Amino acid sequence: EVQLVESGGGLVQPGGSLRLSCAVSGFTFSSYWMHWVRQAPEKGLVWVSRINSDGRSTNYGDSAKGRFTISRDNAKNTLYLQMNSLRVEDTAVYYCIGGWGYWGRGTLVTVSS
Amino acid sequence: DIVMTQTPLSLSVTPGQPASISCKSSQSLLHSDGKTYLYWFLQKPGQSPQLLIYEVSYRFSGVPDRFSGSGSGTDFTLKISRVEAEDVGVYYCMQSIQLPPTFGQGTEVEIK
Repeated sequence: EVQLVESGGGLVQPGGSLRLSCAVSGFTFSSYWMHWVRQAPEKGLVWVSRINSDGRSTNYGDSAKGRFTISRDNAKNTLYLQMNSLRVEDTAVYYCIGGWGYWGRGTLVTVSS
Repeated sequence: DIVMTQTPLSLSVTPGQPASISCKSSQSLLHSDGKTYLYWFLQKPGQSPQLLIYEVSYRFSGVPDRFSGSGSGTDFTLKISRVEAEDVGVYYCMQSIQLPPTFGQGTEVEIK
């Protein structure tokens, strides 16, 4: 059974940091591009970042550039998203995605004072 | 960024009847490798999105054959041949030919 389990979300003050993790099982993690997509409350889907299978190539959406860092540990089957300088507008559910076919349940990040 | 425009934004369908959602992209999604990078997702209430269709017309594993995708270039359609109660939710199209991948606004499907 394919499982992607995100963790690390929570309430943080503006300017703070969080590190999201996504533990993967059920498919060959090291063979897949991985993505983070977020969804603000009652809003649509917005792509955040992606990383290639060996971790050497990364890309970011405009809202994430310079503040977020995507990484992976293929030995641990885990994807990460380090989020710094968080803003109120970063409040969203963050989904971890394998290829485009495997989605986690998401982790809620709330940025508020 | 490529803009994805879905119509309609909401749809009310009688069970057993067909339904259709249109998605138009601001640029062609046909890649030089011959593939067209258009996807369809369904987000059921309270759940994460799930992939239905990839590369315009290929059903993902486990997706019922009542779902079909078609189109080319910049115009695409998702069809449900006979809507069932479990098909309610928000449908999104997405392109991945160009960074950043972008999603349509979503089409909310409800059952009459």
